[in-house]
Amino acid sequence: DTAVSQTPKYLVTQMGNDKSIKCEQNLGHDTMYWYKQDSKKFLKIMFSYNNKELIINETVPNRFSPKSPDKAHLNLHINSLELGDSAVYFCASSQVGRTTYGYTFGSGTRLTVV
Amino acid sequence: QQQVKQSPQSLIVQKGGISIINCAYENTAFDYFPWYQQFPGKGPALLIAIRPDVSEKKEGRFTISFNKSAKQFSLHIMDSQPGDSATYFCAASIRNNFNKFYFGSGTKLNVKP
Repeated sequence: DTAVSQTPKYLVTQMGNDKSIKCEQNLGHDTMYWYKQDSKKFLKIMFSYNNKELIINETVPNRFSPKSPDKAHLNLHINSLELGDSAVYFCASSQVGRTTYGYTFGSGTRLTVV
Repeated sequence: QQQVKQSPQSLIVQKGGISIINCAYENTAFDYFPWYQQFPGKGPALLIAIRPDVSEKKEGRFTISFNKSAKQFSLHIMDSQPGDSATYFCAASIRNNFNKFYFGSGTKLNVKP
């Protein structure tokens, strides 16, 4: 029933490792996003895909690579993890072109790099 | 540079009181202004939103006031309840820009019983 689901919910890993976070939405939306929420709760957009095409790519280290196999899925792969990558990562989806619109967020993945 | 500035950072209100959170923006191209509510351990959830062609929108106890000339908008929570305790984010976006939102820095609201 969950509209936007992310896995895993928690991720604890060592510096230098590579990890992935998966996201799936069942709302039929055509656009998906990754946001990073830092320790001060600030939300910053990282990437967005519209119908599997990358449309937003903010200033993010190239260790972060999103992949969208279809419009219902958007995964985030992070190489060579650093301490500063510790944050909560939120996936969201939206339908572009609606008169009123907003995001539906997942419940987040708390990444801790030790 | 933060596109949307939000204040206060934290707010304590007694049950039954009015909670007011303010946001300001510079980009006059913004044309959609939502507010999100986030409970601990959850993702933000859309609460209420407004377009700049109206000055106020009300949904239950939640009201957005919008001042286009001042480039400010605010969220008012009437009769605040302990269950309203959460972090609130304002945001802004430009239509036809793939729904890219710029978020404020958040306000942690604590409603005391």
